[in-house]
Amino acid sequence: KAGVTQTPRYLIKTRGQQVTLSCSPISGHRSVSWYQQTPGQGLQFLFEYFSETQRNKGNFPGRFSGRQFSNSRSEMNVSTLELGDSALYLCASSPGTRGLSGYTFGSGTRLTVV
Amino acid sequence: DQQVKQNSPSLSVQEGRISILNCDYTNSMFDYFLWYKKYPAEGPTFLISISSIKDKNEDGRFTVFLNKSAKHLSLHIVPSQPGDSAVYFCAASLYGGATNKLIFGTGTLLAVQP
Repeated sequence: KAGVTQTPRYLIKTRGQQVTLSCSPISGHRSVSWYQQTPGQGLQFLFEYFSETQRNKGNFPGRFSGRQFSNSRSEMNVSTLELGDSALYLCASSPGTRGLSGYTFGSGTRLTVV
Repeated sequence: DQQVKQNSPSLSVQEGRISILNCDYTNSMFDYFLWYKKYPAEGPTFLISISSIKDKNEDGRFTVFLNKSAKHLSLHIVPSQPGDSAVYFCAASLYGGATNKLIFGTGTLLAVQP
C-alpha cells in the first residue's frame, strides 16, 4: 500500500513570500500531523488535523496554518517567510482513533528560504 | 524549553558491539515513549516503544529501558550493524500514547564502523 506522500520534495522561496506544502496520508488514515525539523531543535510539533478539524496545536506563530480536506489530504501554509523557517517539514498520518499505532511519516519537504 | 533531551549529538560504535543511546525528559506527565530511526532524505521510522507502566521492552536486537525516577530512557542495540547507522530520535507522549502529538529530542547520530 502507498505510504505518506509529501509534495514538493524541495522548495526554494524568498523572504516575505508564502508557501503551501501538501501531505497525502495513507489510504484510510484520517489523522495528519505536521512537524518542523531543524538542526539542533529536533522535530517540533506544529499541529494535527483529524476529520478536517485541528485537534492539537504546537507552539508556533500564527504565520503557520494548516487545513485538511474531506479526503484527509492536508496542506500547511507559511506566510511571510523568514530565513529561520528553512527546515525539513514532515507530516505523519495515522488511522485517527486516538493512539500512535500506525503513525507513519512521509519523507518530508525541504524548504529553503533565501 | 526542551522537554526531551538527547545530550549526545553523535556516537560511534564498532560493528558487533553494543550501542547505547540515551534520552532524558523533564515532564513527569509523559507516560509513553518511542524511538525512531531516520536516514537522510527519509522520514523517521518507528523502532520500539515503551509505556511508563513497564521498565523494559525488547524487540529483536533493540531494547528500551525506562527509569521513571530518573526521568531517563535508553535504547540498546545489540549487536550493532553498519545498517544501523542513522539518526535516532526519542519521543514522548501523554495519555498512554492516546494522542497524536509527539515531543521529540534533538537526535543522536549513530555511526557503526565495520
